[in-house]
Amino acid sequence: DGGITQSPKYLFRKEGQNVTLSCEQNLNHDAMYWYRQDPGQGLRLIYYSQIVNDFQKGDIAEGYSVSREKKESFPLTVTSAQKNPTAFYLCASSTPGRLYQPQHFGDGTRLSIL
Amino acid sequence: AQKITQTQPGMFVQEKEAVTLDCTYDTSDPSYGLFWYKQPSSGEMIFLIYQGSYDQQNATEGRYSLNFQKARKSANLVISASQLGDSAMYFCAMRDGGATNKLIFGTGTLLAVQP
Repeated sequence: DGGITQSPKYLFRKEGQNVTLSCEQNLNHDAMYWYRQDPGQGLRLIYYSQIVNDFQKGDIAEGYSVSREKKESFPLTVTSAQKNPTAFYLCASSTPGRLYQPQHFGDGTRLSIL
Repeated sequence: AQKITQTQPGMFVQEKEAVTLDCTYDTSDPSYGLFWYKQPSSGEMIFLIYQGSYDQQNATEGRYSLNFQKARKSANLVISASQLGDSAMYFCAMRDGGATNKLIFGTGTLLAVQP
């Protein structure tokens, strides 16, 4: 079955540590996205990529970094510069340029500070 | 700037009744798309229904329908014959006509279906 796989499901970070969240898709989508969701809030865009080896900052990119070396993969690194990383992180993918195409989401990663 | 507003933090509905979840939006782009997603307590985002700005008819998908009033900039989700499994967060989102495919989300409405 085609879909988006995020791992791990739960992640704990120590102070001063970088952690990387994995996102893999087999939907053959060109575009991929990372969102952050805080309790009781909507989703906010961190980074997005419309093609391999290219990505753009979203609304809350500070303290995060990404790479897009393969079409299928879009890992997100939460760096030590992100002072409030505790949140639910969702990865999504879609076909860019088609207004009616929905974004498809993974099951998310819950990140907490130890 | 584009904006999505969901003014109902929480809603209750009796099983088998219909419920309307409100969504208003703001954009200056004539071409845009509106989406509704369901987020159960497990966290995944499930796509429910889409409405394009140029669509002449309101979108329907099974028990879901969208009451699209373009002049009022509203895109309310109607769930008919509510089921216990409909209890979840519901998010309205908008994408503009540009190539970035970015979605802007509202803050969501928590729906509780009571037996």
